Formats: sequence, C-alpha cells, structure tokens
Amino acid sequence: GAVVSQHPSRVICKSGTSVKIECRSLDFQATTMFWYRQFPKQSLMLMATSNEGSKATYEQGVEKDKFLINHASLTLSTLTVTSAHPEDSSFYICSARDRSRGEETQYFGPGTRLLVL
Amino acid sequence: SQQGEEDPQALSIQEGENATMNCSYKTSINNLQWYRQNSGRGLVHLILIRSNEREKHSGRLRVTLDTSKKSSSLLITASRAADTASYFCATALGGYQKVTFGTGTKLQVIP
Repeated sequence: GAVVSQHPSRVICKSGTSVKIECRSLDFQATTMFWYRQFPKQSLMLMATSNEGSKATYEQGVEKDKFLINHASLTLSTLTVTSAHPEDSSFYICSARDRSRGEETQYFGPGTRLLVL
Repeated sequence: SQQGEEDPQALSIQEGENATMNCSYKTSINNLQWYRQNSGRGLVHLILIRSNEREKHSGRLRVTLDTSKKSSSLLITASRAADTASYFCATALGGYQKVTFGTGTKLQVIP
C-alpha cells in the first residue's frame, strides 16, 4: 500500500515559537492532503484540506494564520504551528490521497506529537 | 460536530470472541471507511465500503452499510489480543473526499 511519512514524530518546543511538521507521500502523488488534530482520548478533527498548488481550505474554527499549510509539491505538505502555546499541544496527523487515480482511500501518516511548554 | 458516532465507546472481550462495533452518521456519504489506531500511533486503514454496497469482507473483518438507517457495523471475528486498539469509522463526502471521523470504539481483547 501507499506510504505516508511525517517528520518529526515528536517535538517539544517553548511557548511562542513556531514548529513545522512535514508530511510526505513516499510512493505516490498526493493531489490532496488533509491535516487532522487529535487530543488525548478523542477522535480526529479535520483541520484543513490542501490541494497541490492551491490554498488550503480550513475547517470552521481553525485559524489559518496560526496553522499555516503549504502543499508545494505532489509529495510534500507542511503544517506550521506559529507562535505555539500549550493549548496547541496535540497529536497532528496528515493523510494523503491520489485523486487522479480515482482512489478513495486516504493514507495516513504516523502522526506528530507536539508538546508546547 | 462529529459526523459519526460509534457504539459502544468501549468494549472488552475475551480472545476468540467476536467484536461488533456500530457507527451512525448524519448526512449522505460517498463511502464509509473503518480505521484502527493503536494507542498514540497513526491510523491504519482497514476497509472501505461504498454507498452502493451493503456488505464487504476482508479477512476476519466484515463491514455492513445501511444507508437508509445511516449506519454501519464492523465485525471482527475470532478476536486476538493484537486487535486491541481504537476503531474509528469515517465518512467521506464530496469531490475532495473530505473524511470526517466518528468518536471511536476502544476495543480491549483479553488474552
């Protein structure tokens, strides 16, 4: 099956700093990527949908200036948490889909655990 | 708000027993997918069932879909300790296949 990687897997940062998380599709072209956030013992909440070469579409309640998403190539999307605060501590998961192949399945990355001190 | 709600929230069974989890959703969908998540890890795609399908099998997994009732069920037969995980249903709608996750069922299989 298709493989999606995320880097880093864990990150600890100080409050006020920015953190960048990368999501890569390793063996397919990801025309669409999704970013999710998961708080402990809760489900995944979709943050935004990004299509290669265009601006991301954010879900209601997600601040686009705080969570910057760049989908610059067909294999890479980045999520930058700007001026991170402790309440941003969460598990961030990306997924990717190759819409051009008509596939409906989304392939998920292993997640990035962010801890803001 | 969550598109899908799963029932039960938690399930504990003995190894070898069958586990059934249910998912209800609110809007029309293109497909419904089931995922497994081990504690603190990423998601593993288990099975996808399209809106025009009623039942699908994959190994020890059996998924049903009832679009009239807006519900789906996941049956794991002959459970194993390694099946211990959280299971989520996810519904997809629209051209970009935006996926919305349910609340999840935490399954514990006791050896």
